[in-house]
Amino acid sequence: GQQVMQIPQYQHVQEGEDFTTYCNSSTTLSNIQWYKQRPGGHPVFLIQLVKSGEVKKQKRLTFQFGEAKKNSSLHITATQTTDVGTYFCAGQGTGANNLFFGTGTRLTVIP
Amino acid sequence: GAGVSQTPSNKVTEKGKYVELRCDPISGHTALYWYRQSLGQGPEFLIYFQGTGAADDSGLPNDRFFAVRPEGSVSTLKIQRTERGDSAVYLCASSPGFSYEQYFGPGTRLTVT
Repeated sequence: GQQVMQIPQYQHVQEGEDFTTYCNSSTTLSNIQWYKQRPGGHPVFLIQLVKSGEVKKQKRLTFQFGEAKKNSSLHITATQTTDVGTYFCAGQGTGANNLFFGTGTRLTVIP
Repeated sequence: GAGVSQTPSNKVTEKGKYVELRCDPISGHTALYWYRQSLGQGPEFLIYFQGTGAADDSGLPNDRFFAVRPEGSVSTLKIQRTERGDSAVYLCASSPGFSYEQYFGPGTRLTVT
């Protein structure tokens, strides 16, 4: 079955440092979405990538979709304490109805 | 406007009991999803509705789990003969359609004692 893995599982950074999480799927995806979940909260949609090699930016966040549409990354520049939370990628397989969520990367930002 | 709502927010039940969890999606959203999230894990897909019909129920773990959406809006997830392993946060999400971003509700934390 389809699996979506993320690394690292945990990341502690000093405020102002950069952060990257990587997502890898065992199968080719039709699209990939990224969500952020604050401690005690629910996942909140960040972005969707559809095209091979696509790059999208949201302020300090940069999202990439691999050429083979099997991997993705999220990079945060100059982290802030408001970036704390768990970041999940969620992939949708070709012809599939559901999203497979990755294992998540829990980000801690030290002030 | 109003987001996705879920009731109850917390449910404690004894092993073997029956529970119902309710999801009220964003008005006009045709797609509705149920997920289960255990501590430290990502949401695990359970079932997807497009309108009133279950388009994909491949994530339901066994026949103790059942979900309905009779009028294409509110959905109820039903769990029979609950087991301690069913303890988790049950999340509902809605979407304007297939392959769109999903809007999650706050979840129902189910504890089976």
